[in-house]
Amino acid sequence: AQKVTQAQTEISVVEKEDVTLDCVYETRDTTYYLFWYKQPPSGELVFLIRRNSFDEQNEISGRYSWNFQKSTSSFNFTITASQVVDSAVYFCALSEGASGNTPLVFGKGTRLSVIA
Amino acid sequence: DSGVTQTPKHLITATGQRVTLRCSPRSGDLSVYWYQQSLDQGLQFLIQYYNGEERAKGNILERFSAQQFPDLHSELNLSSLELGDSALYFCASSVGGGPDTQYFGPGTRLTVL
Repeated sequence: AQKVTQAQTEISVVEKEDVTLDCVYETRDTTYYLFWYKQPPSGELVFLIRRNSFDEQNEISGRYSWNFQKSTSSFNFTITASQVVDSAVYFCALSEGASGNTPLVFGKGTRLSVIA
Repeated sequence: DSGVTQTPKHLITATGQRVTLRCSPRSGDLSVYWYQQSLDQGLQFLIQYYNGEERAKGNILERFSAQQFPDLHSELNLSSLELGDSALYFCASSVGGGPDTQYFGPGTRLTVL
């Protein structure tokens, strides 16, 4: 069965610090997709990134970077030089199957608070 | 703005009542998903439709039902409401038929009193 674990329930950092959010997943499929979503205080879910199981290249987008390691079934998310606007709940999610068009299984989320 | 719209934004009702939540997917998207977010259960998948047909079912109660119409908008019907149904209900859409991303609407916050 598929499962996503975000062991960090809450993290608090001071502005400009780097922070890494952990995500560990379980799946029996060889083809799957991993996602990160951001839920700011306003409540909407904002898509950040999608990764397929065959692409282990790390990705960087501005202050955001993602580290995908199949050997440890992890897909961690790092925010560099955090800002107050980064305060939100961050969800890691998994979608199985070659089509990638299957329902998402979410972790419980990590609440990040960035203090000025 | 994801392009997915949901109405209403907030809904307050009483136990035993029935409500309908509406979702319009992004232009061109054929798949619609419904998710429930509650404090105790987190984000849980309810049901998926693809081009008018039910594609997958998750932890959806029998009191809940959904459909996708020919114009691809979807409605989630919740009946015999209980206090525990209070939650944030999200609709997401994706192109469908291949590996693609689900984009979420702003959600409908349901409060059952």
